[in-house]
Amino acid sequence: QKEVEQNSGPLSVPEGAIASLNCTYSDRGSQSFFWYRQYSGKSPELIMSIYSNGDKEDGRFTAQLNKASQYVSLLIRDSQPSDSATYLCAVNMRGFQKLVFGTGTRLLVSP
Amino acid sequence: EAQVTQNPRYLITVTGKKLTVTCSQNMNHEYMSWYRQDPGLGLRQIYYSMNVEVTDKGDVPEGYKVSRKEKRNFPLILESPSPNQTSLYFCASSLSGSGEQFFGPGTRLTVL
Repeated sequence: QKEVEQNSGPLSVPEGAIASLNCTYSDRGSQSFFWYRQYSGKSPELIMSIYSNGDKEDGRFTAQLNKASQYVSLLIRDSQPSDSATYLCAVNMRGFQKLVFGTGTRLLVSP
Repeated sequence: EAQVTQNPRYLITVTGKKLTVTCSQNMNHEYMSWYRQDPGLGLRQIYYSMNVEVTDKGDVPEGYKVSRKEKRNFPLILESPSPNQTSLYFCASSLSGSGEQFFGPGTRLTVL
């Protein structure tokens, strides 16, 4: 079992729709969870962090965390073509020293 | 401007020729890390450093060395590169070792 799992996609949504990206993790003791966006040929960029169960909203982005089920998700409302990128889920395991990334979900938003 | 810089951005070399990829951050971050990114395998941590003179292995340290003599710099050294080290390398830093890491622009390395 991979430590952090994501569906590789691509996830295709029309412009204006809600994109839902999911991630599961194996370490039940994980405390910190992050979403990074990576455009093709560019470096990862942090877009959301979440530390407690529930929802966290920031503009068009909402991160959701359910520690009991060991999953974290990212919702993107009113998706735009500029949101087309690979979204990486990252989980802090074994304390603060180790950040484990999923392989990413590629999102395509069509005009 | 707060940033992480890496040099070189692109490098083609031959097997066995020692090379160093530099990484520098201007945010006074304590934590720095190196990752490699390969298709289908995602980002994997090579080494990390919690502070000056404190380094530790990540998931894929074989064939790599690092040093942290100054807070701002964290070079990655390949003593004898091999073709399986062909990859995209990212340096990252964070204030205190959390997952809120800032990434450099990446170094694309090809070992022939």
